[in-house]
Amino acid sequence: AQSVSQHNHHVILSEAASLELGCNYSYGGTVNLFWYVQYPGQHLQLLLKYFSGDPLVKGIKGFEAEFIKSKFSFNLRKPSVQWSDTAEYFCAVTWMDSSYKLIFGSGTRLLVRP
Amino acid sequence: SAVISQKPSRDICQRGTSLTIQCQVDSQVTMMFWYRQQPGQSLTLIATANQGSEATYESGFVIDKFPISRPNLTFSTLTVSNMSPEDSSIYLCSVDNGELFFGEGSRLTVL
Repeated sequence: AQSVSQHNHHVILSEAASLELGCNYSYGGTVNLFWYVQYPGQHLQLLLKYFSGDPLVKGIKGFEAEFIKSKFSFNLRKPSVQWSDTAEYFCAVTWMDSSYKLIFGSGTRLLVRP
Repeated sequence: SAVISQKPSRDICQRGTSLTIQCQVDSQVTMMFWYRQQPGQSLTLIATANQGSEATYESGFVIDKFPISRPNLTFSTLTVSNMSPEDSSIYLCSVDNGELFFGEGSRLTVL
């Protein structure tokens, strides 16, 4: 079955530290990849997405993600986090052979200490 | 983009009752989706609602428990029937308008 794994459930960082959140999906085929963020008390917002082309994708607020097809991965990175990045981050994937259903990972709670 | 309004934003319900959640979109969209986010967990797709056809339910979700209406291209409802405390969750409407947009969710607490 199709699945999305986020191995880091909770991450605590100090401001200015670098961030990398892992995301792996279950098998190959053509995929669209997304990272969503949910700030405390707010609704989900799209950070970035990958459909095709350059596997290094840049999103809002200084975030980027790299699609590595051979590893079925789409890790999220930010070189220097801020206190305002405290949120929950969700990786999500659609498979082209699956009616474009969006499958979410379990989420990673990031706490950035000032 | 798409702006999605959900009602109610939150409610406290008694066991055994039913509640209908409304989702209004500011533009016409073909595909609408209903998700559930249980406390401390990720989002799980309940069903896909296309206008003019029956909703398509995911494994573990059935129409009798979560009936869905999709009367037009800007509106949908999800009913949570015969609620139990296990149904306490945030229910989110989303639409595919080039990318997936989410409403702010409806937080249900079942006592």
